[in-house]
Amino acid sequence: GQQVMQIPQYQHVQEGEDFTTYCNSSTTLSNIQWYKQRPGGHPVFLIQLVKSGEVKKQKRLTFQFGEAKKNSSLHITATQTTDVGTYFCAGLIYNQGGKLIFGQGTELSVKP
Amino acid sequence: KAGVTQTPRYLIKTRGQQVTLSCSPISGHRSVSWYQQTPGQGLQFLFEYFSETQRNKGNFPGRFSGRQFSNSRSEMNVSTLELGDSALYLCASSLEITAYNEQFFGPGTRLTVL
Repeated sequence: GQQVMQIPQYQHVQEGEDFTTYCNSSTTLSNIQWYKQRPGGHPVFLIQLVKSGEVKKQKRLTFQFGEAKKNSSLHITATQTTDVGTYFCAGLIYNQGGKLIFGQGTELSVKP
Repeated sequence: KAGVTQTPRYLIKTRGQQVTLSCSPISGHRSVSWYQQTPGQGLQFLFEYFSETQRNKGNFPGRFSGRQFSNSRSEMNVSTLELGDSALYLCASSLEITAYNEQFFGPGTRLTVL
C-alpha cells in the first residue's frame, strides 16, 4: 500500500547540536502532520502543513513542506534534553480516502 | 477540558480469547481513530469512526472491529487473539474528520497476549 517513509530511524545528538528528520512519499500528499511522542507517552500534535512550499516555525522547530508536496522535514535548532522523543510525520495521501499514513518515526536522543 | 481516556490501561489475555477496548474522546469531538503501535511496525492505522459511521479502515484482518456510539465513545474489539496482537492500542479524537484536524491521543491500552 501507500507508504510514508521517514528517516533516519534513530538520531543521537549532543545537546546544542541541530537535528533534522525527513519524511518522503512516492505520491502527492494533501497535507502532512507532525507529532512528538515522549518515552512512555502518547503522540502529541505539533503542526499541520497544507500548502506547497509551506514553512512554519515553532520556537526552535522549523517545519517544511516540499514544493511537490511529496516530502517534509522537521528541523530542531540547538537541541535540548527536553527534545528527546520520537517524531512522527503523518501524511494524507491524495485521493486515498482520507487515511493518515504515519511514518515509522525518528527517535531522537540528546546527550547532555 | 478532560483529555482522551482509554480503558483499561493494561490487559493480559491468552491466545484465542477476545478483548474489548474502550475510548472516550474529548467532549465535542466527533471523530475517533484507533492505532496499533509496536516497536517494529510503528503506528498502524486501524480505523476511523465519525458520527457513528466507520469512515476509514486500515489493513487489518476482520478479527479487528470497532464501533462508535451516539455520544462519540468508541470501542474496538479483537477476537481470537494472536501473540502478534500484543501492542499498545492508541485511540485519538478530533473535532471533525481526522485528515485535516489535529488528533488528540489517549494514553493507550497496553495489550499483552500470552
